[in-house]
Amino acid sequence: GAGVSQSPSNKVTEKGKDVELRCDPISGHTALYWYRQSLGQGLEFLIYFQGNSAPDKSGLPSDRFSAERTGGSVSTLTIQRTQQEDSAVYLCASSFPGSPYNEQFFGPGTRLTVL
Amino acid sequence: GQQLNQSPQSMFIQEGEDVSMNCTSSSIFNTWLWYKQDPGEGPVLLIALYKAGELTSNGRLTAQFGITRKDSFLNISASIPSDVGIYFCAGQKQGAQKLVFGQGTRLTINP
Repeated sequence: GAGVSQSPSNKVTEKGKDVELRCDPISGHTALYWYRQSLGQGLEFLIYFQGNSAPDKSGLPSDRFSAERTGGSVSTLTIQRTQQEDSAVYLCASSFPGSPYNEQFFGPGTRLTVL
Repeated sequence: GQQLNQSPQSMFIQEGEDVSMNCTSSSIFNTWLWYKQDPGEGPVLLIALYKAGELTSNGRLTAQFGITRKDSFLNISASIPSDVGIYFCAGQKQGAQKLVFGQGTRLTINP
């Protein structure tokens, strides 16, 4: 079966430009998460969606970051007016909270480079 | 943001050796998880721990959930080349969905 997919796999942009990163979760998974992984670091939580509930945005580092999830499936993470410190790998994960352990399955990530 | 304290940051070992890494926190977590990340991939779950004091094995991997709920360790026995990668611990607090990650341990194996 298909896992979590993300696109693009790599994105190079100029400082000040906006970027959109896409995540396709595993079919049937109602929970979706975005994390950021800076070079040599662990993953940092950004935002969490669960069904039709209001998202948990507590990890978004600034108001330049936003995310939406349309139709309870695909999600888009948008970074406006990108800065060099936004360079990182952005990872998406999905889970099915009704499962016994609610395991989060990760996509391969989008590597963002801001020049 | 908050991160767990994971050590060592890197390990260089010979094939066949045993490996041990650990994670500590200043606060309590109700679930401890260990992930492995290969280059260009997302992390993959290795072991999940749900009870304080729990010791769980998955093949050559063994992990324990500390009795204080503030630490965990992962052991890998008889390492093989495919064990190369970055290992992350992660914690999850009661009622929370987000995971808090350690900084990772990069494992390199000399054949």
